[in-house]
Amino acid sequence: SAVISQKPSRDICQRGTSLTIQCQVDSQVTMMFWYRQQPGQSLTLIATANQGSEATYESGFVIDKFPISRPNLTFSTLTVSNMSPEDSSIYLCSVGQVGTGLTYEQYFGPGTRLTVT
Amino acid sequence: AQSVAQPEDQVNVAEGNPLTVKCTYSVSGNPYLFWYVQYPNRGLQFLLKYITGDNLVKGSYGFEAEFNKSQTSFHLKKPSALVSDSALYFCRGDNNDMRFGAGTRLTVKP
Repeated sequence: SAVISQKPSRDICQRGTSLTIQCQVDSQVTMMFWYRQQPGQSLTLIATANQGSEATYESGFVIDKFPISRPNLTFSTLTVSNMSPEDSSIYLCSVGQVGTGLTYEQYFGPGTRLTVT
Repeated sequence: AQSVAQPEDQVNVAEGNPLTVKCTYSVSGNPYLFWYVQYPNRGLQFLLKYITGDNLVKGSYGFEAEFNKSQTSFHLKKPSALVSDSALYFCRGDNNDMRFGAGTRLTVKP
Protein backbone atom coordinates (compact mmCIF):
# COMPACT_ATOMS: atom_id res chain seq x y z
CA SER A 1 0.00 0.00 0.00
CA ALA A 2 0.97 3.65 -0.23
CA VAL A 3 0.59 6.44 2.29
CA ILE A 4 -0.39 9.75 0.77
CA SER A 5 -0.41 13.18 2.36
CA GLN A 6 -1.90 16.35 0.99
CA LYS A 7 -1.32 19.99 1.82
CA PRO A 8 -3.22 22.03 2.70
CA SER A 9 -5.98 19.99 4.30
CA ARG A 10 -8.38 22.86 3.79
CA ASP A 11 -8.36 26.45 2.67
CA ILE A 12 -10.68 29.35 2.14
CA CYS A 13 -9.72 31.47 -0.85
CA GLN A 14 -11.02 34.55 -2.58
CA ARG A 15 -12.29 34.39 -6.11
CA GLY A 16 -9.73 35.22 -8.75
CA THR A 17 -6.82 33.81 -6.78
CA SER A 18 -4.99 30.50 -7.24
CA LEU A 19 -4.24 27.66 -4.87
CA THR A 20 -1.62 24.95 -5.27
CA ILE A 21 -2.31 21.61 -3.63
CA GLN A 22 0.59 19.33 -2.87
CA CYS A 23 0.53 15.55 -2.88
CA GLN A 24 3.34 13.53 -1.32
CA VAL A 25 3.62 9.74 -1.47
CA ASP A 26 5.79 7.59 0.77
CA SER A 27 6.92 5.39 -2.11
CA GLN A 28 7.72 5.76 -5.78
CA VAL A 29 4.69 5.42 -8.00
CA THR A 30 4.25 5.83 -11.71
CA MET A 31 0.58 6.74 -11.85
CA MET A 32 -0.97 9.64 -10.00
CA PHE A 33 -4.46 11.00 -10.37
CA TRP A 34 -6.32 14.09 -9.31
CA TYR A 35 -10.03 13.98 -8.53
CA ARG A 36 -12.65 16.44 -7.46
CA GLN A 37 -15.50 15.48 -5.15
CA GLN A 38 -18.48 17.40 -3.91
CA PRO A 39 -19.29 16.35 -0.35
CA GLY A 40 -21.36 13.19 -0.35
CA GLN A 41 -21.07 12.70 -4.08
CA SER A 42 -18.96 10.67 -6.44
CA LEU A 43 -15.48 11.46 -7.63
CA THR A 44 -14.77 13.20 -10.90
CA LEU A 45 -11.41 12.49 -12.48
CA ILE A 46 -9.61 15.70 -13.38
CA ALA A 47 -6.40 14.35 -14.84
CA THR A 48 -3.83 11.60 -14.85
CA ALA A 49 -0.28 12.65 -14.07
CA ASN A 50 2.37 10.12 -14.90
CA GLN A 51 5.96 10.99 -14.23
CA GLY A 52 7.90 11.86 -17.35
CA SER A 53 4.91 12.82 -19.46
CA GLU A 54 2.39 15.59 -19.75
CA ALA A 55 -0.72 15.28 -17.66
CA THR A 56 -3.78 13.92 -19.45
CA TYR A 57 -6.94 15.89 -18.75
CA GLU A 58 -10.49 14.60 -18.76
CA SER A 59 -13.26 16.24 -20.70
CA GLY A 60 -14.24 19.50 -19.08
CA PHE A 61 -10.87 20.15 -17.48
CA VAL A 62 -8.09 22.17 -19.09
CA ILE A 63 -4.47 22.75 -18.29
CA ASP A 64 -4.82 26.51 -18.02
CA LYS A 65 -7.33 26.11 -15.22
CA PHE A 66 -5.78 23.09 -13.49
CA PRO A 67 -2.04 23.00 -14.20
CA ILE A 68 -0.34 19.92 -12.80
CA SER A 69 3.29 19.26 -12.04
CA ARG A 70 4.88 15.87 -11.56
CA PRO A 71 8.58 16.47 -10.93
CA ASN A 72 9.39 13.03 -9.55
CA LEU A 73 7.91 9.67 -8.59
CA THR A 74 6.75 10.72 -5.13
CA PHE A 75 5.30 14.19 -5.60
CA SER A 76 2.72 16.11 -7.58
CA THR A 77 0.92 19.43 -7.41
CA LEU A 78 -2.44 20.57 -8.70
CA THR A 79 -3.12 24.28 -9.05
CA VAL A 80 -6.64 25.63 -9.15
CA SER A 81 -6.30 28.89 -11.06
CA ASN A 82 -8.46 31.99 -11.17
CA MET A 83 -10.86 30.42 -8.71
CA SER A 84 -14.59 30.95 -8.62
CA PRO A 85 -17.16 29.69 -6.08
CA GLU A 86 -17.91 26.81 -8.46
CA ASP A 87 -14.43 25.46 -7.73
CA SER A 88 -15.37 24.88 -4.10
CA SER A 89 -14.91 21.17 -3.64
CA ILE A 90 -12.74 18.46 -2.15
CA TYR A 91 -9.66 17.71 -4.23
CA LEU A 92 -8.20 14.24 -3.89
CA CYS A 93 -4.83 12.94 -4.91
CA SER A 94 -4.58 9.26 -5.75
CA VAL A 95 -1.87 6.84 -6.82
CA GLY A 96 -2.06 3.59 -8.68
CA GLN A 97 0.14 0.61 -7.98
CA VAL A 98 0.27 -2.57 -9.96
CA GLY A 99 -1.23 -5.40 -7.97
CA THR A 100 -2.48 -8.86 -8.66
CA GLY A 101 -3.05 -9.62 -12.31
CA LEU A 102 -1.43 -6.36 -13.35
CA THR A 103 -4.45 -4.47 -12.12
CA TYR A 104 -4.05 -1.14 -10.47
CA GLU A 105 -4.87 -0.78 -6.81
CA GLN A 106 -5.66 2.78 -6.00
CA TYR A 107 -4.82 4.66 -2.83
CA PHE A 108 -6.12 8.05 -1.88
CA GLY A 109 -4.91 11.01 0.06
CA PRO A 110 -7.11 12.58 2.75
CA GLY A 111 -8.22 15.36 0.44
CA THR A 112 -8.06 19.14 0.38
CA ARG A 113 -11.29 20.94 1.16
CA LEU A 114 -11.40 24.16 -0.83
CA THR A 115 -13.93 26.91 -0.29
CA VAL A 116 -13.95 29.88 -2.64
CA THR A 117 -15.70 33.02 -1.48
CA ALA B 1 -14.00 0.13 -21.56
CA GLN B 2 -16.28 -0.65 -18.72
CA SER B 3 -18.88 1.28 -16.81
CA VAL B 4 -20.58 0.61 -13.53
CA ALA B 5 -23.89 1.63 -12.05
CA GLN B 6 -24.94 1.88 -8.46
CA PRO B 7 -28.73 1.87 -8.60
CA GLU B 8 -29.32 2.93 -5.00
CA ASP B 9 -28.36 6.34 -3.66
CA GLN B 10 -29.13 5.29 -0.12
CA VAL B 11 -29.29 2.02 1.78
CA ASN B 12 -30.55 1.79 5.35
CA VAL B 13 -30.14 -1.30 7.51
CA ALA B 14 -30.42 -2.10 11.17
CA GLU B 15 -27.33 -3.06 13.10
CA GLY B 16 -26.82 -6.81 13.09
CA ASN B 17 -28.76 -7.34 9.88
CA PRO B 18 -27.09 -8.34 6.64
CA LEU B 19 -26.32 -5.55 4.19
CA THR B 20 -26.06 -5.41 0.43
CA VAL B 21 -24.82 -2.52 -1.67
CA LYS B 22 -25.50 -3.05 -5.34
CA CYS B 23 -23.28 -2.55 -8.35
CA THR B 24 -23.89 -3.61 -11.93
CA TYR B 25 -21.45 -3.39 -14.77
CA SER B 26 -21.31 -3.33 -18.53
CA VAL B 27 -18.23 -4.64 -20.19
CA SER B 28 -16.68 -5.90 -23.35
CA GLY B 29 -14.26 -8.58 -22.24
CA ASN B 30 -13.25 -9.71 -18.78
CA PRO B 31 -14.32 -7.33 -16.04
CA TYR B 32 -12.12 -5.91 -13.33
CA LEU B 33 -14.26 -4.67 -10.47
CA PHE B 34 -13.43 -2.84 -7.27
CA TRP B 35 -15.16 -1.57 -4.15
CA TYR B 36 -14.04 1.42 -2.11
CA VAL B 37 -15.37 2.96 1.08
CA GLN B 38 -15.24 6.55 2.26
CA TYR B 39 -15.83 7.20 5.91
CA PRO B 40 -16.96 10.69 6.96
CA ASN B 41 -14.26 13.34 6.45
CA ARG B 42 -11.75 10.77 5.25
CA GLY B 43 -10.27 9.65 1.96
CA LEU B 44 -11.31 6.60 0.04
CA GLN B 45 -10.10 3.19 1.14
CA PHE B 46 -9.79 0.09 -1.00
CA LEU B 47 -12.06 -2.75 0.15
CA LEU B 48 -11.74 -5.53 -2.39
CA LYS B 49 -11.45 -6.39 -6.04
CA TYR B 50 -12.45 -9.06 -8.52
CA ILE B 51 -10.04 -9.95 -11.29
CA THR B 52 -10.60 -13.62 -11.97
CA GLY B 53 -11.13 -16.83 -10.05
CA ASP B 54 -13.62 -17.35 -7.25
CA ASN B 55 -16.82 -15.44 -7.64
CA LEU B 56 -16.92 -14.64 -3.94
CA VAL B 57 -14.25 -12.13 -3.01
CA LYS B 58 -13.39 -11.34 0.58
CA GLY B 59 -12.07 -7.96 1.59
CA SER B 60 -11.39 -5.65 4.47
CA TYR B 61 -13.60 -5.06 7.54
CA GLY B 62 -15.56 -8.29 6.99
CA PHE B 63 -16.94 -7.25 3.61
CA GLU B 64 -17.28 -9.55 0.65
CA ALA B 65 -18.59 -9.21 -2.86
CA GLU B 66 -20.12 -11.69 -5.22
CA PHE B 67 -19.34 -11.55 -8.91
CA ASN B 68 -22.33 -12.74 -10.94
CA LYS B 69 -21.64 -12.92 -14.63
CA SER B 70 -25.17 -13.81 -15.70
CA GLN B 71 -26.58 -10.81 -13.86
CA THR B 72 -23.55 -8.59 -14.57
CA SER B 73 -23.44 -7.66 -10.93
CA PHE B 74 -20.82 -7.23 -8.23
CA HIS B 75 -22.80 -6.57 -5.08
CA LEU B 76 -21.04 -5.76 -1.83
CA LYS B 77 -22.22 -7.71 1.19
CA LYS B 78 -21.68 -8.13 4.89
CA PRO B 79 -23.45 -10.73 7.04
CA SER B 80 -23.92 -8.48 10.07
CA ALA B 81 -23.83 -4.70 9.75
CA LEU B 82 -22.20 -2.43 12.28
CA VAL B 83 -23.05 1.19 12.97
CA SER B 84 -19.43 1.96 12.10
CA ASP B 85 -20.04 0.65 8.57
CA SER B 86 -22.05 3.79 7.85
CA ALA B 87 -20.19 5.45 4.99
CA LEU B 88 -20.17 6.13 1.27
CA TYR B 89 -19.45 3.11 -0.91
CA PHE B 90 -18.15 3.33 -4.45
CA CYS B 91 -17.91 0.70 -7.12
CA ARG B 92 -15.33 1.02 -9.87
CA GLY B 93 -14.80 -0.92 -13.04
CA ASP B 94 -11.97 -1.48 -15.45
CA ASN B 95 -8.27 -1.55 -15.00
CA ASN B 96 -7.33 1.61 -16.79
CA ASP B 97 -10.47 3.66 -16.44
CA MET B 98 -10.16 5.32 -13.06
CA ARG B 99 -13.79 6.39 -12.92
CA PHE B 100 -16.18 5.59 -10.12
CA GLY B 101 -19.85 4.83 -9.76
CA ALA B 102 -22.20 7.42 -8.35
CA GLY B 103 -21.83 6.04 -4.86
CA THR B 104 -24.25 4.62 -2.29
CA ARG B 105 -24.66 6.04 1.18
CA LEU B 106 -25.02 3.23 3.70
CA THR B 107 -26.60 4.08 7.03
CA VAL B 108 -26.62 1.46 9.75
CA LYS B 109 -28.97 2.30 12.59
CA PRO B 110 -28.56 0.94 16.12
